[in-house]
Amino acid sequence: DAGVTQSPTHLIKTRGQQVTLRCSPKSGHDTVSWYQQALGQGPQFIFQYYEEEERQRGNFPDRFSGHQFPNYSSELNVNALLLGDSALYLCASSLAGGQPTDTQYFGPGTRLTVL
Amino acid sequence: AQSVTQLGSHVSVSEGALVLLRCNYSSSVPPYLFWYVQYPNQGLQLLLKYTSAATLVKGINGFEAEFKKSETSFHLTKPSAHMSDAAEYFCAVSLLSSGNTPLVFGKGTRLSVIA
Repeated sequence: DAGVTQSPTHLIKTRGQQVTLRCSPKSGHDTVSWYQQALGQGPQFIFQYYEEEERQRGNFPDRFSGHQFPNYSSELNVNALLLGDSALYLCASSLAGGQPTDTQYFGPGTRLTVL
Repeated sequence: AQSVTQLGSHVSVSEGALVLLRCNYSSSVPPYLFWYVQYPNQGLQLLLKYTSAATLVKGINGFEAEFKKSETSFHLTKPSAHMSDAAEYFCAVSLLSSGNTPLVFGKGTRLSVIA
């Protein structure tokens, strides 16, 4: 059973560029959440997708957007990259309708460096 | 709003010694609490979670945590540290709204184990 997978592993971009990160949830899961983990910090919630719609959003600007596909996989897009966007981006999957205590499974992350 | 504070950004213990990682939470409602571990260049792995069923929670790899409402704490312990325990540990609280609630993480505590 494959867990949560993310691609690419590493990415280097320059300021002002746009980037797309990808996530495939754990088999059987239909909800994908994205988190940003800056160096030396804990992960921060960006947004969550279910049924191809953004259901919840954290305190992130509109430059951060996403998409969920019918097969439940998801993309995170960041426009007009800033140096401060450099971070590890983590994807987590879960099952809709679950309990607040249900485990969210995290992928290995994508390391984004903005120069 | 829920929040988590992890006391000590870095903890160093000798192999075989007690591990104690501190976490205090703030929540206006009964919280659900989690401990995750992150090994270098990897995603997050759930160690254990508090779901209000029992105040003493046992997790994987010999870790356990005790929920103390009077102290608003959820400290993580392990009787005897192994070299393989060296990693970053994150305490998190669930934003209670429904299933698939986003997690609010602390800043993390890096555990070093000295031979």
